[in-house]
This record gives sequence, C-alpha cells and structure tokens, in this order.
Amino acid sequence: EAGVTQFPSHSVIEKGQTVTLRCDPISGHDNLYWYRRVMGKEIKFLLHFVKESKQDESGMPNNRFLAERTGGTYSTLKVQPAELEDSGVYFCASSQNRGDGYTFGSGTRLTVV
Amino acid sequence: GENVEQHPSTLSVQEGDSAVIKCTYSDSASNYFPWYKQELGKRPQLIIDIRSNVGEKKDQRIAVTLNKTAKHFSLHITETQPEDSAVYFCAASLGSWGKLQFGAGTQVVVTP
Repeated sequence: EAGVTQFPSHSVIEKGQTVTLRCDPISGHDNLYWYRRVMGKEIKFLLHFVKESKQDESGMPNNRFLAERTGGTYSTLKVQPAELEDSGVYFCASSQNRGDGYTFGSGTRLTVV
Repeated sequence: GENVEQHPSTLSVQEGDSAVIKCTYSDSASNYFPWYKQELGKRPQLIIDIRSNVGEKKDQRIAVTLNKTAKHFSLHITETQPEDSAVYFCAASLGSWGKLQFGAGTQVVVTP
C-alpha cells in the first residue's frame, strides 16, 4: 500500500510569493489532517478534512492559508502571500477512521526568505 | 484548549540502558494518547498508542503507561539501541474527531 505522499519535499520562496503544497493520502482514508512544525517546536494542528468537507479548521493561522480537498482525494494547502513566519515543516496525515493512529507524510519543508 | 507538556527535551542514554519520556496533558476529556518517532529526515511514525480505558501497554522493548487521575503518560524504552536515536513526540486527542495536540518532542541520543 502506498503511504501518504507530499510534494514538494522542499520549497524556498520569497516573502510575498505564493506556494501550494500537495498531499496524497492513503487510498480510502477519509480523514486527512494538516499539521505544521515551526522552528523545532511542537507539531501544531492546522485543519482536518473528512472526505471533501472541512471538519475543523480551527488551527489555520489566518486567511493567507487556504486548504482544499476536491473530490475527497488529494489535498492542497496554499499560502498566499507567504510571510517569514510561515517557514516550517508542513505535515499531512491520514487515517481511515477518526480516532485511529495517523500515517504521516514525509512533510514539506517551507522556507520563506 | 488542550496543552501537552513533554520532558525532557533532550535525553542521552548509553546503549542498553532504559529511556523514559514523560508527558502531561490538561484536558481530562482526552482519551487517546499516541507516541510518534521521527528519525532524521523521515516522517513521524506511530510506534505505540494507548486509550484511556487502559493503564499500560507494551510492545517488545517499548511500553506506555497512563495515569488518568494525574493526567500524565510516559514512554519507556528498555535495552536501548543506536537505532532508537530519534525525536519522540507524545500527543493527546482533542475531541472525538481525531485532532491531536502534540508535545514539543524529545531528542533521544543512544550512544554505543
């Protein structure tokens, strides 16, 4: 079974630019989560999809972040315009049932300069 | 909201010794407590988890204990090996939809 796939693995962009991160969850996993780890701190929740619907987006920092999951398959997370404090590692995770342990992707390391 | 504190932030142990990482949580409604291991440059991987109706769970050299009254849970690694070197994260569930609050991580270094 293919795991959770994220790309790009690394992205370096200038402040003010736009970046789109993509996550392909494990096939059949209805639950998809986005998390972020900034500067060696804890992994922080951003949002949770159940199929194509946003179940919880309480962790999204501000309206510069937009997540979508069209068709309930892969998800994208767009940051527009990017700011320096958006730098960090963005993780995607999926699970078949809520409350199950997650399978994480390898993350996208975003650096905003 | 839920707050998870994890200690220590770094842990250096000799190969063969035991390692213990402790976490506390604030929300008494939390009922699921997973532990993740992240090796350098790799994805966090679930290594063990425990639910609130269980006090202890063991899987080979790894064990987790949960004290609901005190709201703390711990990871125990026995007979440590160099391949146990990694960052370990504890987490506690937030609500019933699978959202997790993570601790800040513990860098474990096992020296031969």
